[in-house]
Amino acid sequence: DADVTQTPRNRITKTGKRIMLECSQTKGHDRMYWYRQDPGLGLRLIYYSFDVKDINKGEISDGYSVSRQAQAKFSLSLESAIPNQTALYFCATSDPVSNEQYFGPGTRLTVT
Amino acid sequence: GDSVTQMEGPVTLSEEAFLTINCTYTATGYPSLFWYVQYPGEGLQLLLKATKADDKGSNKGFEATYRKETTSFHLEKGSVQVSDSAVYFCALSKGGSNYKLTFGKGTLLTVNP
Repeated sequence: DADVTQTPRNRITKTGKRIMLECSQTKGHDRMYWYRQDPGLGLRLIYYSFDVKDINKGEISDGYSVSRQAQAKFSLSLESAIPNQTALYFCATSDPVSNEQYFGPGTRLTVT
Repeated sequence: GDSVTQMEGPVTLSEEAFLTINCTYTATGYPSLFWYVQYPGEGLQLLLKATKADDKGSNKGFEATYRKETTSFHLEKGSVQVSDSAVYFCALSKGGSNYKLTFGKGTLLTVNP
């Protein structure tokens, strides 16, 4: 089984709808991250969490919120989706010793 | 703030050609440097890393050397294969309490048979 899983893998939604993307990990890491990938822009950090009680904004947090339900689960919400949030979203965890990040397979979100 | 600059893509090569993808960084202190690879339809996976100056990371025939004097971490492979076609990302992170990764914009590599 994959170490980091994301659901759904693909989602099409309409402008103004609320949507939640879910992430689960079996690595046992405290640190988790949400990134957004857009063509030509690389990956940009939305939110990160260093443990269940520690949640921090990344460089592009406006329009997003997160919830860390447990060490293994980190959800990303779009309260009112807009078309420019159409992107590929990745969840990741990191090893605190090696700094290596482990990525999920991504969720392709389309907002019409 | 910290930043990573990669050569613009896309890069198209024939099988068995030599590959170089340039990466330079701006950061205070002594970051760790990484190359991640993203195959079509998949998430990113770590290709190689280096944690201090003059370290050489290597994996699957790819190599990169951490050059502090030129703030560079260029990716090289002597003979590429069609299966190396992917997007390659250079990234840095710093230790202490901050383990966030800062990514370059990615370089698309296409290898033709």
